[in-house]
Order: sequence, then structure tokens, then C-alpha cells
Amino acid sequence: DVVMTQSPLSLPVTLGQPASISCRSSQSLVHSDGNTYLNWFQQRPGQSPRRLIYKVSNRDSGVPDRFSGSGSGTDFTLKIGRVEAEDVGVYYCMQGTHWPLTFGQGTKVEIK
Amino acid sequence: EVQLVESGGGLVQPGGSLRLSCAASGFTLSTYWMSWVRQAPGKGLEWVANIKQDGSEKYYVDSVKGRFTISRDNAKNSLYLQMNSLRAEDTAVYYCARRTTLDYWGQGTLVTVSS
Repeated sequence: DVVMTQSPLSLPVTLGQPASISCRSSQSLVHSDGNTYLNWFQQRPGQSPRRLIYKVSNRDSGVPDRFSGSGSGTDFTLKIGRVEAEDVGVYYCMQGTHWPLTFGQGTKVEIK
Repeated sequence: EVQLVESGGGLVQPGGSLRLSCAASGFTLSTYWMSWVRQAPGKGLEWVANIKQDGSEKYYVDSVKGRFTISRDNAKNSLYLQMNSLRAEDTAVYYCARRTTLDYWGQGTLVTVSS
């Protein structure tokens, strides 16, 4: 199975400051069809997960543009341009290139 | 508006069975892969199973193979997860989600396996 490793696991941030989460996979996420199926999800306290980013860098509809995804191969990053209070929660990366689908452990973002 | 509404969770004894349902609306179910994902209390997300549009392909995480069965009824706009031989470690909130890329999620249904 592909192991997804996120860092840090806890991220205290100051409102208005940027934040960055790393996600590394144990093998390349480039699919035979040429796409890289790396997604990012946000789970606010008490809510269901919500997809933010798909195929590395594509923002879902309604996702603020302060969220951005980047990376390639085995190394990926989610950035929050300026953290707002509503961004508090746990963020997960997930690979959809190889079966079984696997998630990172989650990164808890909280306000300092 | 895409909506996914899970039901069927509850308290069950070890070794028991439950059938979860997911009612889909706001899109044509028959054109999408569908997924089940679970989250144990206080833990992260774990993909459980996927099913192709016509039900011809199904995939499962190793820990549920032979015990869980994913199915669908496109005419009823519904997705199902039949869970047999339940164990304590199956205790979790179970979410249905659209596609293998999980673009939309339901609110989840809690399954508790305990004596």
C-alpha cells in the first residue's frame, strides 16, 4: 500500500499568517493515464470532510483562493495564504492513483 | 445540489451485522463511481470500499474483505454497505462519498460495535 506521510501533525498559526502542510507518498503518484491523483481535504470540528484540492493543484468550487496545492511525483504541499478563523480543523492528503486509496494521518490546524 | 444522506448505523454486538444505506440526490448516480470511507472516534480517515457505475467492479480495504459488501441500486439512487462479522475495530462514522476522488460527502452514520 502507498503510505502517505504528512508534516507537521499539529500546526499552530497566527491569524493572517501563512501556513504550509507537507504530504509525501511512498511511491510516485503519477498514474499511467498521466494524471496525479493527489487530493486535499478539510475537516472542520464536528463536520464531514470537504474536498479542497484535486489532482494536486485544482481548487474545488467555492474554495477560497488563499488555498493552493502544488507538488509532483511523491512530494506535495498545501498552502494557506493567510489563515482565517474558519480554517481551523484537520487537513488530510489522499492518493487516488493506486489501490487501495490511502490518506495521510491528518494535520491539525489551530489558532495560536 | 448534490446531497448524500447515510442511514442504518447503530449499536451492534461483535459478530453482528448491519446494512448502511446512502441516498443520493442532485446528480445521476448511475454515472459515478461511489465510495465508503470511515473514521474511528478521534482518528483519521480510512477508505473502505468503492463500486463502479454499473456495479461490475468493487474494491475493498484488506481489513474488511470477506466481511463487507458494497452494492448499489441506481434505479433507487442508493448505495449500500452490508457489514457482517462486525468487530470492535469497525466502530466508526461511515461516510458515503461520490467518486474515487471523494468530491462530495454525506454527513455520516455512526456504527458502534460493542457488547
